[in-house]
Amino acid sequence: AQSVTQPDIHITVSEGASLELRCNYSYGATPYLFWYVQSPGQGLQLLLKYFSGDTLVQGIKGFEAEFKRSQSSFNLRKPSVHWSDAAEYFCAVERSAGNKLTFGGGTRVLVKP
Amino acid sequence: SQTIHQWPATLVQPVGSPLSLECTVEGTSNPNLYWYRQAAGRGLQLLFYSVGIGQISSEVPQNLSASRPQDRQFILSSKKLLLSDSGFYLCAWRGGNTGELFFGEGSRLTVL
Repeated sequence: AQSVTQPDIHITVSEGASLELRCNYSYGATPYLFWYVQSPGQGLQLLLKYFSGDTLVQGIKGFEAEFKRSQSSFNLRKPSVHWSDAAEYFCAVERSAGNKLTFGGGTRVLVKP
Repeated sequence: SQTIHQWPATLVQPVGSPLSLECTVEGTSNPNLYWYRQAAGRGLQLLFYSVGIGQISSEVPQNLSASRPQDRQFILSSKKLLLSDSGFYLCAWRGGNTGELFFGEGSRLTVL
């Protein structure tokens, strides 16, 4: 069965600093990969997704993620964090299109002024 | 455009009482529908998904059930709530195989 690991439960970053959130998955083939963001008490919003092609994916809100097959990773990055980026971030994996998403445990990001 | 609605947004129920959470999608037809639960401090757990009317797949054995009486309606139910049923329930839909799930705003259930 596929699984998704987000090693960092909490990350605190200063406003304007860079941010990187880690995501590792376990699955034999290259799955479909997603990053979602959840503001407190809200549903989830898709930041970006990777199906194939260029391994560096650009998303909304200035986020990007890089797929590294050799490391089974799909880390999310943002060069300069804004206070509004404080939220919980979820990595998700899907074996193939139309299949079921498996979510990681999430990483909560706190932004210091 | 497509929208997804969940209600109620917040619910406080005693142990042993029944539950009904509703989810409705507008602006699309024959979506795949999903119920997730998010317990405090934990990730999202897929509870049920449906690819069509009356078609329900259960992911984990539990105290809950789901039904899809209409194409764009997905209902999460329980006959007798347990304390462990407390959590944040999210409904989501997917149209075709685009890969993206669209989530509702969630329903927070507290069982006392």
